[in-house]
Amino acid sequence: SQQGEEDPQALSIQEGENATMNCSYKTSINNLQWYRQNSGRGLVHLILIRSNEREKHSGRLRVTLDTSKKSSSLLITASRAADTASYFCATRSSNTGKLIFGQGTTLQVKP
Amino acid sequence: DAGITQSPRHKVTETGTPVTLRCHQTENHRYMYWYRQDPGHGLRLIHYSYGVKDTDKGEVSDGYSVSRSKTEDFLLTLESATSSQTSVYFCAIRPGLRTDTQYFGPGTRLTVL
Repeated sequence: SQQGEEDPQALSIQEGENATMNCSYKTSINNLQWYRQNSGRGLVHLILIRSNEREKHSGRLRVTLDTSKKSSSLLITASRAADTASYFCATRSSNTGKLIFGQGTTLQVKP
Repeated sequence: DAGITQSPRHKVTETGTPVTLRCHQTENHRYMYWYRQDPGHGLRLIHYSYGVKDTDKGEVSDGYSVSRSKTEDFLLTLESATSSQTSVYFCAIRPGLRTDTQYFGPGTRLTVL
């Protein structure tokens, strides 16, 4: 069973616009991570937010976590064509300790 | 790719044949993982290892076995490949228990005809 579910499944925007993607999960977590995957490549870790944190920033990335709603969002500001990739959330379950990946959001940034 | 290589990168094989995929890391990390990635399923854990000769099953382990005789190598074997095992396989390492971040290899695309 999938712990994290991303929304939307696909997103297409113009360069310079902001991109927001969401992740929902089902059980209690210790932390939530976001990864990026460029076409034909492995996943690359972007950012980790712990269950006691509400917001975290890294460069043009802003991640929020709402544990009461069991959801997280990833905001990429001032997007670039190089941001075109799939983005996955991954949750570390506090019950099982397992890391579960969602199905991903495919982002296309048009130049 | 954090010093992680996978071989082969692409393989086409026939149903019923054995297949072994290799993951090699250069930094002596203790924790290694094998995932498969399929459309509509995201990444699913097949097996993982927490040390030489210490392995355990993941979410989708049926039809797969693993071995880790050296710290740097984690092998995934499909004893008798089936078409349902057509997938992209990723190896990952975790630098230690103090971090949850995983670092992924470039992947192996396996096609079972």
